[in-house]
Amino acid sequence: DIQMTQSPSSLSASVGDRVTITCQASRDIDNYLNWYQQKPGKAPKLLIYDASNLETGVPSRFSGSGSGTDFTFTISSLQPEDIATYYCQQYKDPYNDFGGGTKVEIK
Amino acid sequence: EEQLVESGGGLVKPGGSLRLSCAASGFTFIDAWMTWVRQAPGKGLEWLGRIKSKSDGETPDYAAPARGRFTISRDDSKNTLYLHMSSLKTDDTAVYYCSTEPAKLWGQGTLVTVSP
Repeated sequence: DIQMTQSPSSLSASVGDRVTITCQASRDIDNYLNWYQQKPGKAPKLLIYDASNLETGVPSRFSGSGSGTDFTFTISSLQPEDIATYYCQQYKDPYNDFGGGTKVEIK
Repeated sequence: EEQLVESGGGLVKPGGSLRLSCAASGFTFIDAWMTWVRQAPGKGLEWLGRIKSKSDGETPDYAAPARGRFTISRDDSKNTLYLHMSSLKTDDTAVYYCSTEPAKLWGQGTLVTVSP
C-alpha cells in the first residue's frame, strides 16, 4: 500500500492569510491525488482532483500542485467558512489511502 | 438530483454482523464504481474498498482492515450498494460513508457502534 503523509496535522491562521498543506506519498503516484474538505458532522467534499484541477463550483482561492511524491494544497486567502479538516487521497494504487488530515482553525 | 443515502447502521455486539446499504439516485448507477469509506470518532478518513461496475468486471478491492471480514456488493436492479460486515470489533465503530469513484458524490454517512 502507498502511505500518504500529510502535514501539518493542524494549523491556526488569520482571515486573509495564505495557508499551505503538504502531502507526501511513499512512492510515485504521478498526479493521482485528490484534496477534500470536511466540516464537522458532514461528509467530505472533493475540492481538487488530479493534483491540480479545481472541482466545479469550488472557489478559486483553493489550489493544488505537485506530482510524483510531493504535493501542496493552498488556500490563497483564508476565509471563515474554510474552517475544516482537509485530506489528501491517492488513487494511483488500487487501495486509495488518505492522508492523516489537517485541521485548519482561525487564529 | 444526484444522491446517495446510507442506511443500516446501529448498535451491534462484538463478533456480530451488520449489512449497510447505500441507495443511489439521479445518476446512472450501473456505470458507477462505488466506494466505502469510514471515519472513527475523532479520527481521519479510512478507505475500505470499492466495487467496479459490472461492465468493468464488478470486482471488489479491499483495504487491509476490511479484507476477510467485509464484503462489498451491489444490486444494479435496485441501484443499491452494500457493505456486509462480520466478526465486528469495537475498533469498527465509525461513521460509514459510501461514495462514487471519482469521489464527487458522497452519502451522509451511517453510524455503526460496536459495543458489548
